[in-house]
Amino acid sequence: GQQLNQSPQSMFIQEGEDVSMNCTSSSIFNTWLWYKQDPGEGPVLLIALYKAGELTSNGRLTAQFGITRKDSFLNISASIPSDVGIYFCAGQNDPYSGAGSYQLTFGKGTKLSVIP
Amino acid sequence: GAGVSQSPSNKVTEKGKDVELRCDPISGHTALYWYRQSLGQGLEFLIYFQGNSAPDKSGLPSDRFSAERTGGSVSTLTIQRTQQEDSAVYLCASSSSGGALDTQYFGPGTRLTVL
Repeated sequence: GQQLNQSPQSMFIQEGEDVSMNCTSSSIFNTWLWYKQDPGEGPVLLIALYKAGELTSNGRLTAQFGITRKDSFLNISASIPSDVGIYFCAGQNDPYSGAGSYQLTFGKGTKLSVIP
Repeated sequence: GAGVSQSPSNKVTEKGKDVELRCDPISGHTALYWYRQSLGQGLEFLIYFQGNSAPDKSGLPSDRFSAERTGGSVSTLTIQRTQQEDSAVYLCASSSSGGALDTQYFGPGTRLTVL
């Protein structure tokens, strides 16, 4: 089945530093998504990428959809304490390519800790 | 309500018992997904409902797992004869129509512990 490899697994950074995490896939996705999950909550969508090569920003967050459609990265600039949480990449499956629905395939997450 | 709600928030059960987990999607959303998140893992797709169409059950791990969606709104995920490996957080998500550009909004999840 499809697998997403997300790295790093965890990061400890100083407040104000920039952060980068990435995701690679063994197969092609037409849509890449980045979610953040806080403890005891469900994931919340941060950025959605729909086109190969697309670079999209949302405040201090920037994400890119790789040209091969098999990878994506997320950058966070000037980290702050509320950036703490687990970040997940997700590829959206496509029913026109054999999947039953637009269900998401998730990476295992990057746990971010910010030291004030 | 404004978001997806799930109940109970926590469930502890004994091995072999049946459990039911409930999801209330965002009002008006026709698409509903169930995912499972094991400790330290990403989310794993279980089942998808869209309107009156036949559900996509391709992610259900065994025949002990089933789900219903009555009246196109509330959904119940049932796990029969629970096993310890069923312990996980079960998350529900809904989207407006299940389309490619629709955002999936997640509930807070139900943490299931099987003793």
